[in-house]
Amino acid sequence: AQKVTQAQTEISVVEKEDVTLDCVYETRDTTYYLFWYKQPPSGELVFLIRRNSFDEQNEISGRYSWNFQKSTSSFNFTITASQVVDSAVYFCALSEASGNSGGGADGLTFGKGTHLIIQP
Amino acid sequence: GAVVSQHPSWVICKSGTSVKIECRSLDFQATTMFWYRQFPKQSLMLMATSNEGSKATYEQGVEKDKFLINHASLTLSTLTVTSAHPEDSSFYICSARRGIGRVSYEQYFGPGTRLTVT
Repeated sequence: AQKVTQAQTEISVVEKEDVTLDCVYETRDTTYYLFWYKQPPSGELVFLIRRNSFDEQNEISGRYSWNFQKSTSSFNFTITASQVVDSAVYFCALSEASGNSGGGADGLTFGKGTHLIIQP
Repeated sequence: GAVVSQHPSWVICKSGTSVKIECRSLDFQATTMFWYRQFPKQSLMLMATSNEGSKATYEQGVEKDKFLINHASLTLSTLTVTSAHPEDSSFYICSARRGIGRVSYEQYFGPGTRLTVT
């Protein structure tokens, strides 16, 4: 069974600091997908990134970057020069490509989330 | 593109009544939709996988007779919470997967429905 662990329940930093959110996953599948989502107080999930298991390239998008390391089963997320608007709950999630849904990606298994607080 | 809507966005109902929540993919066809539940300050938990034209597959611990799922068309899935009780109060979120087969990994989430049972 798959599992996603976000050990950091809450992180509080001062604006402009860099912050890394950790994510460790477990799966027996060789094909899987990893995601990060942002959930502001409104509740609506905001998609940030998807990575498939065959693509270990790190990615940078503006102030956001992701470090995917299969050797340690980790998919960490770094925000550079954090801003108050980055305050939210961030979820890491895993989807396996098997099971109940016709061969495509299954429903997501979410980590417990990290509540990120950026103080001005 | 790839917009998913949910209706209603919030609902308050009395204990013992049933509530229906709709999930629609507005600009694409979704053979598979997923339903999640999120309790306050907790993570999202997958409840069930809904495939168009077939019975839904429920995750362990989710009562299929209580949470009725119907996926009658490629753009609509409904979740009915039957005989709702206060412990069913939660944030219900659906997602729709575009396409079919192994290339279809993109899931688009709806804005969620907040259910309060009094």
